[in-house]
Amino acid sequence: QSALTQPASVSGSPGQSITISCTGTSSDIGGYNYLSWYQQHPGKAPKLLIYDVSNRPSGVSNRFSGSKSGNTASLTISGLQAEDEADYYCNSYSTNRILLFGGGTKLTVL
Amino acid sequence: EVQLLESGGGLVQPGGSLRLSCAASGGTFSNYAMNWVRQAPGKGLEWVSVINGGGDGTFYADSVKGRFTISRDDSKNTLYLQMNSLRGEDTALYYCARDFRRGSGWSPDGMDLWGQGTTVTVSS
Repeated sequence: QSALTQPASVSGSPGQSITISCTGTSSDIGGYNYLSWYQQHPGKAPKLLIYDVSNRPSGVSNRFSGSKSGNTASLTISGLQAEDEADYYCNSYSTNRILLFGGGTKLTVL
Repeated sequence: EVQLLESGGGLVQPGGSLRLSCAASGGTFSNYAMNWVRQAPGKGLEWVSVINGGGDGTFYADSVKGRFTISRDDSKNTLYLQMNSLRGEDTALYYCARDFRRGSGWSPDGMDLWGQGTTVTVSS
C-alpha cells in the first residue's frame, strides 16, 4: 500500500496557472476513475475539490480542474489567488478495496 | 445543513484501546458510506477505513486491519471506530468523512463532508 506520489511543493504568482501531479500505478490511478483532490488550509479539515478525475462539486470554483493520463492524475489551478495557498492531496481507489492518498503538495502563492 | 462532530480522542498507553464517535447533526448520514481518515502531526492524510451505506461492508487500510473496527448506528446518526492494540504510530488527528454519493454500497468518488477531527495520542 504505497502512497501516491506528489511533488512536495509548487509555487506560482497571482494570476498564473500551476499543475500538481499525482502518480500511481495501474492498480490504482490507472485502473479506476475514482480519483479525487482535496485542499487543506492549516488547522482546517480537507475540502473536496474534484471527484471522479475531473468533476467539481457544487460551489467549487471553475479555476480548479482535474485530468488523468495513464497512471498520472493532475490538478490545475488557474488564475492563482492568495487564498489558494494550502496543501493539496490526491486520493485514489486501489485494488483490494482500499483508498490511497498522495503525500501532499504545499502550494505557495508568491 | 449536515455537520459531523467527532469525539472520543485522548491520551492512551501503547496497547490500549479507544472508541471514537462521529455524530451527524442537522440531518442524517444514512445510506452514505462513511470513512475515517487520519493525519499524524505535521504529516499528510491517511485513509483508515470505510463502512458502506448499508452498514454491511467494511474495509480497512493494512496498517490498522485486525486492530480497528468501524461500525455505524443509523438510528443514532453515529459512526464509530473501535481502536485496539494502539501503537505510537496511531497518534494522529482522526477525521470522519462522508462519501459524496448516496447509496447502500460504496462508491469511492470522493468525500464531501468532513468533521473537524478528534486527537488520539498513544504514549506511555
